This record gives sequence, structure tokens and C-alpha cells, in this order.
Amino acid sequence: RKEVEQDPGPFNVPEGATVAFNCTYSNSASQSFFWYRQDCRKEPKLLMSVYSSGNEDGRFTAQLNRASQYISLLIRDSKLSDSATYLCVVTYTGGFKTIFGAGTRLFVKA
Amino acid sequence: EPEVTQTPSHQVTQMGQEVILRCVPISNHLYFYWYRQILGQKVEFLVSFYNNEISEKSEIFDDQFSVERPDGSNFTLKIRSTKLEDSAMYFCASRDRAGGYTFGSGTRLTVV
Repeated sequence: RKEVEQDPGPFNVPEGATVAFNCTYSNSASQSFFWYRQDCRKEPKLLMSVYSSGNEDGRFTAQLNRASQYISLLIRDSKLSDSATYLCVVTYTGGFKTIFGAGTRLFVKA
Repeated sequence: EPEVTQTPSHQVTQMGQEVILRCVPISNHLYFYWYRQILGQKVEFLVSFYNNEISEKSEIFDDQFSVERPDGSNFTLKIRSTKLEDSAMYFCASRDRAGGYTFGSGTRLTVV
């Protein structure tokens, strides 16, 4: 089983749609969780941290379920500029080791 | 906004040569990382560095690789005796005690 697994994608959605990404992780000792976005041939950029209580940043909502070892990202009212690859990231050992999921590609169309 | 700076942006080297990839982390960050991403594949953790020593390393980070913080600002990744399969984008990242990881724009290494 992969350490961090994401929906394979790609997701093709129209502007204004709501889209949800899922991620599961295998190591119950995982400590911190993040969603990053990566544009083609660019560096990953932090989208948001993920907390057990759930957190929201504008159109983006992230949830963590430690019991199920599951992380989600919800994007509401999708924009063309949301088109990117979304990376689920899990850290261990006090943040010294990070594992990336393979990413889910999102295409938002006009 | 503070940023992580990486040089060069693109490095072409012959197989068997040594390369040094350079990074300037965000000045008040204490934790430093190197990752690589082979074209079309996922981002892979290589090594983390804190308090002037390696904290964690992956199975990829074998004796061919080394890291150094030669002064108060630079953080380098050395790859000895490069192989064709070392061709990838190498990202440096840094973070402070509580935050997420800030990535540099990467060095594209091409081994020919």
C-alpha cells in the first residue's frame, strides 16, 4: 500500500463547480498534513494546512479524519485559475520527513 | 513575501561528473529540505537538515548525495558521479517551527 494515496484524476469541471479531492495515508504516526498545489513545471506552493477540526480558507475547505487516516480538500465555485495539480502531503518525525501523494490533476473549463 | 532561492535554474552535466545545487532558505527558518521530482512523477523526499546535521533521509539519499550548510545562508546538495537517472527537478524547501514548507523554484538537472 502506498504511504500517501490520492484520487488519480484528472478532474474536468466547469467554472463554478464544486470539486472534492480525497487522500489516504497509511502511517498512523503521521503528524502534520497539508494540501499543496503545483502548476506545470513549477514548485509546489502551500495551499493550506489541515487540522482535525477542519479549516476553511475562502473557497477552500480541508478536513482530516485521523481515525480513518483520510484527508479531503473541497473547492467551491471553481475558477479557471484553480487548474493545477493538487498534492496531499503528510509529515512524520516532527516534520523532518515528508511524503507527497502523486497528485490529482484538476482542469477547470470555461 | 520571503522566498527560497535556488541556483542555477538549469544545470546540464556529463555522466560521472559532480554537481552542487545551491539554495538560500528563508532567513529565519531553521529546517531545510531537499526533494526531487523526476519528470511526470511525484515529489520525493531526499533529506532534512536541522541544527547543522541531517535529521532524516530517504532511501534515495545514499552515499552519492551529501548536504552542507557552509555558512549562515546557503544550503547545498552535492551529487557525486552523476547518473542518467539523476536527471530531475531538485527542490529546496525551508520552514519555521510551526509552518508549512516553502519551496524554491527548483534546479532542473539534466545528465547527458
